[in-house]
Amino acid sequence: QKEVEQDPGPLSVPEGAIVSLNCTYSNSAFQYFMWYRQYSRKGPELLMYTYSSGNKEDGRFTAQVDKSSKYISLFIRDSQPSDSATYLCAMLRAGNNRKLIWGLGTSLAVNP
Amino acid sequence: KAGVTQTPRYLIKTRGQQVTLSCSPISGHRSVSWYQQTPGQGLQFLFEYFSETQRNKGNFPGRFSGRQFSNSRSEMNVSTLELGDSALYLCASSLGSGSSRNEQYFGPGTRLTVT
Repeated sequence: QKEVEQDPGPLSVPEGAIVSLNCTYSNSAFQYFMWYRQYSRKGPELLMYTYSSGNKEDGRFTAQVDKSSKYISLFIRDSQPSDSATYLCAMLRAGNNRKLIWGLGTSLAVNP
Repeated sequence: KAGVTQTPRYLIKTRGQQVTLSCSPISGHRSVSWYQQTPGQGLQFLFEYFSETQRNKGNFPGRFSGRQFSNSRSEMNVSTLELGDSALYLCASSLGSGSSRNEQYFGPGTRLTVT
């Protein structure tokens, strides 16, 4: 079993829809949670960074962390065609061996 | 600030050859991490360098190696290329100061095709 599970999709939604992207994890040592967006032929770019359980909002994006269920989500409100990309979750353990563990990414298409 | 730059952007090699990829991190960033990205495996961590020292290593064979220079620029080398090495190789830089946040900023990647 992978430490981080993410449904690769693809996910296709109409413009204006609310999008929900999710990752589950098995290691309770993960303390920091990130969402990256990757456009085709580009490197990933950091979207959201969260630490504690609860919600963090940034414009149309909301990151949610539920440590008790080992579950994180990214919500996109009023989705736009420009949101079409692959979304990757990443998690960081505390301690000495601090490397990011990545989900496979979910491919999202927002149709005009 | 200029972002992370990687050269070359595209590369075609044949099996058995070796290749060297280069990464220049964001100014002031001292940590450079390398990843391999393929459709089936996603982002796979190769190694991380900080102040010219390898700080972390992923589960890749010894054909994959890297180094970091005093100006924080980094190179990775793959020897005896195999078809399965075809992938997007991404470099990410971070402050690496021991900060708990450790946010990574990625370059555009080098697309390596092995024929």
